[in-house]
Amino acid sequence: SAVISQKPSRDICQRGTSLTIQCQVDSQVTMMFWYRQQPGQSLTLIATANQGSEATYESGFVIDKFPISRPNLTFSTLTVSNMSPEDSSIYLCSVSGTLGPYEQYFGPGTRLTVT
Amino acid sequence: GQQVMQIPQYQHVQEGEDFTTYCNSSTTLSNIQWYKQRPGGHPVFLIQLVKSGEVKKQKRLTFQFGEAKKNSSLHITATQTTDVGTYFCAVTTSGTYKYIFGTGTRLKVLA
Repeated sequence: SAVISQKPSRDICQRGTSLTIQCQVDSQVTMMFWYRQQPGQSLTLIATANQGSEATYESGFVIDKFPISRPNLTFSTLTVSNMSPEDSSIYLCSVSGTLGPYEQYFGPGTRLTVT
Repeated sequence: GQQVMQIPQYQHVQEGEDFTTYCNSSTTLSNIQWYKQRPGGHPVFLIQLVKSGEVKKQKRLTFQFGEAKKNSSLHITATQTTDVGTYFCAVTTSGTYKYIFGTGTRLKVLA
């Protein structure tokens, strides 16, 4: 299994600002994902971070709001841009292989509060 | 988009009682996974089911995939306080890497 770290673990930000969240994996992985989880709710997939190319976004999420970088097979960043209180949530990165069973390993999450 | 419902939403049980959560999809699934998320923690992979009617066991946990591959269940026998958390199913219809998470069932175990 992969060990995943995220920075920061939590932050309180003012509306209109941006925050970049880092996800570091201890081994090379093919698939990396970013999820959002609001308190007491399920996980919603934001995008798949593709190494060397643009991320693949899910319906309702756009690159201008959530730009993602993935410069190599062990690292990715998610930026939450022009934040509003509605962006307050936990942001999780996860990784999986490209061969089944595609079990996902999650980072500890970043708890974001926007005031 | 596809929605995956889990019932019940919440369950409180006395320690030692059994617990079951159900995951229901309106479309035929390729695979289903189950995850457990402890309070304040991140989701942890439990198991994957692939075949119609498949049953898998992990100690006190029994996982089942429906014959029509549209639903699944997780049953815990003789719950313990360590079973506390939210149980999510995650499904895919394409057999690839992208999974949609169910609404989750939050389990509380009273000692």
